[in-house]
Amino acid sequence: DAKTTQPNSMESNEEEPVHLPCNHSTISGTDYIHWYRQLPSQGPEYVIHGLTSNVNNRMASLAIAEDRKSSTLILHRATLRDAAVYYCILRDGRDDKIIFGKGTRLHILP
Amino acid sequence: EAQVTQNPRYLITVTGKKLTVTCSQNMNHEYMSWYRQDPGLGLRQIYYSMNVEVTDKGDVPEGYKVSRKEKRNFPLILESPSPNQTSLYFCASSLTSAGGHPDEQFFGPGTRLTVL
Repeated sequence: DAKTTQPNSMESNEEEPVHLPCNHSTISGTDYIHWYRQLPSQGPEYVIHGLTSNVNNRMASLAIAEDRKSSTLILHRATLRDAAVYYCILRDGRDDKIIFGKGTRLHILP
Repeated sequence: EAQVTQNPRYLITVTGKKLTVTCSQNMNHEYMSWYRQDPGLGLRQIYYSMNVEVTDKGDVPEGYKVSRKEKRNFPLILESPSPNQTSLYFCASSLTSAGGHPDEQFFGPGTRLTVL
């Protein structure tokens, strides 16, 4: 199963952009890159996903490296409510076993 | 409202007393999954199901059983709970399964289990 590597924690100032990195050097051609986040005392929630091209939605943007071995989740203007653990995972449409890992704990400073 | 529900939300039990945590989704999703979350270990998948009567082991299946007799329900069964199964458990579901585009997962609110 392909796995991902993320920093344990990051800090950012409120109202500034945040770039959360994820390495997935063993990614296969059929792996989709998914991001989830988990707010305190809640279940994880979906943020965004992509395959090859960069993606944008109302929550965030996903930048995928050309070789697909890394990706970056971009929060354009962090708020205190964005403080959470962010998980980068790979999902293969053929194999539905999912490995979440420990994620990155994002701290937002007021 | 589209949602994944889990019951109970909190449970304290004793070693060896069989228990079941229920999970239900109202979105007609094919894929369902159980995770446990422990401090410092992140989310780990226990079992998953790609459709009715189809289940498979995740990363940490030991000590757990599941069944998928109906599309909407995916109960987690602990036949003989032990203290090392004290954890926070999440159920999740998503629309598609193997062979298709893996869609977003919707998570339940969690069940906090304590085994004494």
